[in-house]
Amino acid sequence: DAGVTQSPTHLIKTRGQQVTLRCSPKSGHDTVSWYQQALGQGPQFIFQYYEEEERQRGNFPDRFSGHQFPNYSSELNVNALLLGDSALYLCASSTFWRPTGELFFGEGSRLTVL
Amino acid sequence: QQQVKQSPQSLIVQKGGISIINCAYENTAFDYFPWYQQFPGKGPALLIAIRPDVSEKKEGRFTISFNKSAKQFSLHIMDSQPGDSATYFCAAPNTGNQFYFGTGTSLTVIP
Repeated sequence: DAGVTQSPTHLIKTRGQQVTLRCSPKSGHDTVSWYQQALGQGPQFIFQYYEEEERQRGNFPDRFSGHQFPNYSSELNVNALLLGDSALYLCASSTFWRPTGELFFGEGSRLTVL
Repeated sequence: QQQVKQSPQSLIVQKGGISIINCAYENTAFDYFPWYQQFPGKGPALLIAIRPDVSEKKEGRFTISFNKSAKQFSLHIMDSQPGDSATYFCAAPNTGNQFYFGTGTSLTVIP
């Protein structure tokens, strides 16, 4: 049973560029959440997708956008990259109708913005 | 926005000792409080969680103690082992399986 898979694992971008990160949820899960984890900090909620719609959003600017596909996989897009966007981006999958269930995290995509 | 305050920021414990990490939250939409363990280069993984219809939950060497009136909960690691060296995060739930995470505690267990 494959867990949550994310790609790419590492990437380097320059300020002003755009980036797309990808996530495949754990088998049987229908909800994907994205978190940003800055160095030495806890994960911060970006947004959550269910049924191909953004269901919840954290305190992140519109430069952060996402998409969910019919197979439940998801993308996170960040436009106009800033130095402060350098972080580990974590994808977490879960089941929508189990509101207090376990989040299963991928290993993350490490983004460095120069 | 929910604040989850976690302490200490770092902890060094001798092998066999007890590690204690504390968390305090403000408000919560649900009663479900997990602890996640994260090793370097890996994503967080659920370690143990409690639904506070009980004040304590134990799984092996790991115990969560919960004080609902004080809005505090803690993680106790008994007989700490070098393999427990990792970063630990507490979390408090918001709606729809969204969580607010603490800032993390880096635990080092010295052999």
